[in-house]
Amino acid sequence: AQSVTQLDSQVPVFEEAPVELRCNYSSSVSVYLFWYVQYPNQGLQLLLKYLSGSTLVKGINGFEAEFNKSQTSFHLRKPSVHISDTAEYFCAVSPVNTGNQFYFGTGTSLTVIP
Amino acid sequence: DVKVTQSSRYLVKRTGEKVFLECVQDMDHENMFWYRQDPGLGLRLIYFSYDVKMKEKGDIPEGYSVSREKKERFSLILESASTNQTSMYLCASSRPLSYEQYFGPGTRLTVT
Repeated sequence: AQSVTQLDSQVPVFEEAPVELRCNYSSSVSVYLFWYVQYPNQGLQLLLKYLSGSTLVKGINGFEAEFNKSQTSFHLRKPSVHISDTAEYFCAVSPVNTGNQFYFGTGTSLTVIP
Repeated sequence: DVKVTQSSRYLVKRTGEKVFLECVQDMDHENMFWYRQDPGLGLRLIYFSYDVKMKEKGDIPEGYSVSREKKERFSLILESASTNQTSMYLCASSRPLSYEQYFGPGTRLTVT
């Protein structure tokens, strides 16, 4: 079974400050890892994904995430946030070679304060 | 540009009504998914389909059914809507083993 934990439900941060959104997962099998972003009144959009290779993954809009297998974590970071980064962020896992089923965390609401 | 569209952005229905939520994708994707999104619960998978006329139950299928008569269209059906089905419904599609799902804008359903 798989589960995804996003401990921070809300994260307020000042504009141009750095931010880290935390994601931990639990799985009995190998998984691929993802971060999705949902802007207000929109569907989800893929931010970045880790399938294999380098554990530091760069995504769109200046975001990056690091896969840590020993800590079963996949935290999302950005060195300097903008107002436009205000959104809901979802971490997700998908078991390797099982046909594309995803398991999502409960989401973190990032609010960038001017 | 890839596109997943959902028939309505907002929908208000009465308890006991039969409700149809439609999803159409123009990317020739084999896989399609229906999720519901609730505050504090994230996204939960209701049903998914790997091919035309095929369907698989997700984590919360009770009270829902689906239909996939054509590759591009995946419908979610609430046979008898109840207030606890008030939620945001998201449709997604993907290619097999691509590990990237494309989402529609969502339908916010209110059952009164």
